[in-house]
Amino acid sequence: DAMVIQNPRYQVTQFGKPVTLSCSQTLNHNVMYWYQQKSSQAPKLLFHYYDKDFNNEADTPDNFQSRRPNTSFCFLDIRSPGLGDAAMYLCATSRDLRGTDTQYFGPGTRLTVL
Amino acid sequence: KQEVTQIPAALSVPEGENLVLNCSFTDSAIYNLQWFRQDPGKGLTSLLLIQSSQREQTSGRLNASLDKSSGRSTLYIAASQPGDSATYLCAVRRYNFNKFYFGSGTKLNVKP
Repeated sequence: DAMVIQNPRYQVTQFGKPVTLSCSQTLNHNVMYWYQQKSSQAPKLLFHYYDKDFNNEADTPDNFQSRRPNTSFCFLDIRSPGLGDAAMYLCATSRDLRGTDTQYFGPGTRLTVL
Repeated sequence: KQEVTQIPAALSVPEGENLVLNCSFTDSAIYNLQWFRQDPGKGLTSLLLIQSSQREQTSGRLNASLDKSSGRSTLYIAASQPGDSATYLCAVRRYNFNKFYFGSGTKLNVKP
């Protein structure tokens, strides 16, 4: 089945130690998104790629970076994780940015910062 | 800025009851509205997407309506089942913005 895959599902890192989260998709969608979701809160968009065009949200900290080496893969890099970065990180895709386009989400990676 | 509110934050109902979840948004210039389901510790599963030109969408026991002028959407669940227990989130995409704004969700518990 076509899907959005996130690895790892659970990630533990130490305060200040760089970490990379991975997302891949078999849907061949143009758009890939990264969201941060803290407990009982709404998912918060960090950035998205439309093809190779990177779009950063204005309030996304510089500590968060992203790479999209090809259509299928997108990475979230946290350069120096703080305790406040512990959250669920959700990757999503959509075919395009039209009104008819549904977002498809991966299962998420839960990040713990010690 | 678009703000999305979901009330109530939590809801508990007995099995078999029909129920309505509410979503309101402050900017009516939206492209579409999407309802999602999230199980504990999991990602989001899309339930229904309503385009701005539509009034409602149906899938099985689910019916979502959209009233842009009043900034409201409802998700109607018929004959609720324990398997429906999850958090339901709505998200709106503002017109000409490549961004979805999410509500905090309604946590639904359907008791057997």
